Amino acid sequence: AQSVTQLDSQVPVFEEAPVELRCNYSSSVSVYLFWYVQYPNQGLQLLLKYLSGSTLVESINGFEAEFNKSQTSFHLRKPSVHISDTAEYFCAVSEIGGFKTIFGAGTRLFVKA
Amino acid sequence: NAGVTQTPKFQVLKTGQSMTLQCAQDMNHNSMYWYRQDPGMGLRLIYYSASEGTTDKGEVPNGYNVSRLNKREFSLRLESAAPSQTSVYFCASSGGGPRASQPQHFGDGTRLSIL
Repeated sequence: AQSVTQLDSQVPVFEEAPVELRCNYSSSVSVYLFWYVQYPNQGLQLLLKYLSGSTLVESINGFEAEFNKSQTSFHLRKPSVHISDTAEYFCAVSEIGGFKTIFGAGTRLFVKA
Repeated sequence: NAGVTQTPKFQVLKTGQSMTLQCAQDMNHNSMYWYRQDPGMGLRLIYYSASEGTTDKGEVPNGYNVSRLNKREFSLRLESAAPSQTSVYFCASSGGGPRASQPQHFGDGTRLSIL
């Protein structure tokens, strides 16, 4: 069975500071990895995904995540955050060849002025 | 481009009442899902439909039923609502390639309170 652990439930950070949101997963088979973002009173939106190839993947708004197979991690980073990045971020895992996606419990990012 | 549309957006029920949450997608996706979101627990899969005409249980199916009415629509029914079913419910859809590789597209949720 697969599982996803987001190590921080809340991350407060000042505007323009760097941030890292941590995600570890467990699976007996190869996986696809995703980060989703949820703004208040909205559904989740895909931020970025790792399917294969380069282990570093980027989003259009400056976030990046690196797949580390040996550490079974997929941490999300941004070098300089904006107030508008305040949201909840979910790491998710799907087993290759499977069907279901397992979501982590979420990390609330608070960006302070 | 509407994407995934859920109705209603808010609902308050009394214990024992029944209701149906509606979901429709306009992206021609084969797969559809119902999740519930509770604080500190992320999203938990209630039921999913891999394709039109099929439905399967997810992680927390008890107390719920679903209907895949056609390719576009996937409804969730609470037959006898309980306070433990107070939650935010999300419908999602995915399609267009190998199943597990496709991201899911979410509606804006239904906020359900059961008194």
